[in-house]
Amino acid sequence: EVNLVESGGGLVKPGGSLRLSCADSGFTFSDIWITWVRQAPGKGLEWVGRIKSKYYGETADYAAPVQGRFTISRDDSKNTAYLQMNSLMIEDTAVYYCTDPFRDGSAYARWGQGTLVTVSS
Amino acid sequence: DIVMTQSPLTLPVTLGQPASISCRSSQSLVHSNGNTYLSWFQQRPGQSPRRLIYKVSNRDSGVPDRFSGSGSGTDFTLKISRVEAEDVGVYYCMQGTHWRAYTFGQGTKLEIK
Repeated sequence: EVNLVESGGGLVKPGGSLRLSCADSGFTFSDIWITWVRQAPGKGLEWVGRIKSKYYGETADYAAPVQGRFTISRDDSKNTAYLQMNSLMIEDTAVYYCTDPFRDGSAYARWGQGTLVTVSS
Repeated sequence: DIVMTQSPLTLPVTLGQPASISCRSSQSLVHSNGNTYLSWFQQRPGQSPRRLIYKVSNRDSGVPDRFSGSGSGTDFTLKISRVEAEDVGVYYCMQGTHWRAYTFGQGTKLEIK
């Protein structure tokens, strides 16, 4: 069972913006810490950033390559997290996934299909 | 940032034989709360990743018991007791103890000899 589903990807020009969504069909969204991971074509997995739950202050942290350009937020009333991507660069081209990789139990063990972001002129 | 180093990067295995993947971190992964946030993921060809193991040795629901995780501190291992054809893919370790920057290993590609 997949609980987190990504959407919002597409083709964007360098310097452009895009907002990805991560929707949860489960019942514990407000408790989970959402992590965004990306995978460039033919490459390995790369951590993008993470937002903690409201209980832990909704603090977000980011990988160095996206710091200052990407922003993670969440709306627990909609069971949805977001990845706002600004000043996109060609090297941001990847499939983007959302997950909670360290949560106890297997509710979020299976990942969604991801959403493809292509940055090209 | 914590560096996660996996070895080998390619692992040819005969069907029915065991396999072992090492993951080493540049710093201890023991959190101040006593937990060790080290997970293993499998990515089969053409598929999304899925988690196999969390907190070093806890197997996820639906994961065959031929998969096991072990280790402590900076050294961790994923073992497959008897490799099956469906195990072909890339395996990643990931740390979440140092929460300002999670990190993945480079990935280990398991293939059948």
